[in-house]
Amino acid sequence: NAGVTQTPKFRVLKTGQSMTLLCAQDMNHEYMYWYRQDPGMGLRLIHYSVGEGTTAKGEVPDGYNVSRLKKQNFLLGLESAAPSQTSVYFCASSYSYDRGNQPQHFGDGTRLSIL
Amino acid sequence: AQSVTQLGSHVSVSEGALVLLRCNYSSSVPPYLFWYVQYPNQGLQLLLKYTSAATLVKGINGFEAEFKKSETSFHLTKPSAHMSDAAEYFCAVSAHAGGTSYGKLTFGQGTILTVHP
Repeated sequence: NAGVTQTPKFRVLKTGQSMTLLCAQDMNHEYMYWYRQDPGMGLRLIHYSVGEGTTAKGEVPDGYNVSRLKKQNFLLGLESAAPSQTSVYFCASSYSYDRGNQPQHFGDGTRLSIL
Repeated sequence: AQSVTQLGSHVSVSEGALVLLRCNYSSSVPPYLFWYVQYPNQGLQLLLKYTSAATLVKGINGFEAEFKKSETSFHLTKPSAHMSDAAEYFCAVSAHAGGTSYGKLTFGQGTILTVHP
């Protein structure tokens, strides 16, 4: 019973490098989300998807891109990493019915450091 | 637009004492409200949710929260703290189902709960 799985769990990058974070869910959820968590700021929404092939910007989208080619996967890309993107990244998913009512299920996070 | 304010970034209680974590929200439409808990190096787990049914909501691990529209509050309480309750707690708001929020959550800043023996 995996739920939401994030890969990798830890990563250290140099400024300017690129990388992709992978999120996979096995609950057949329509909605998927990427958040970043920084101390004292709670979680902030980066991008989200309401279905396969769709993506939309959240609160802090700059410097990130996403893709949802398959319903169960949601990828977050950093094209040119910057130290300000050092954070813990969380993926979440939820059902689509009664929008806003369904709780989100979270992965365990990816801890990313940009040097 | 919606926002959440959690009063107190750190709360410390003794084991067996009352736990009270404060959350105030702002929303232009009737909100759905959630409390999540995060243990160290883990993701967020749902404690409870308010979805316009009963104003007093009971969750897991003995926690409950009361929705007070007049005070725009959704405070989290537990009558008797346990050492295992030590964690960070997040209040979150989502727009009502009639809108187009697609379940997007706006989180508060979080409150770290410390429980002393």
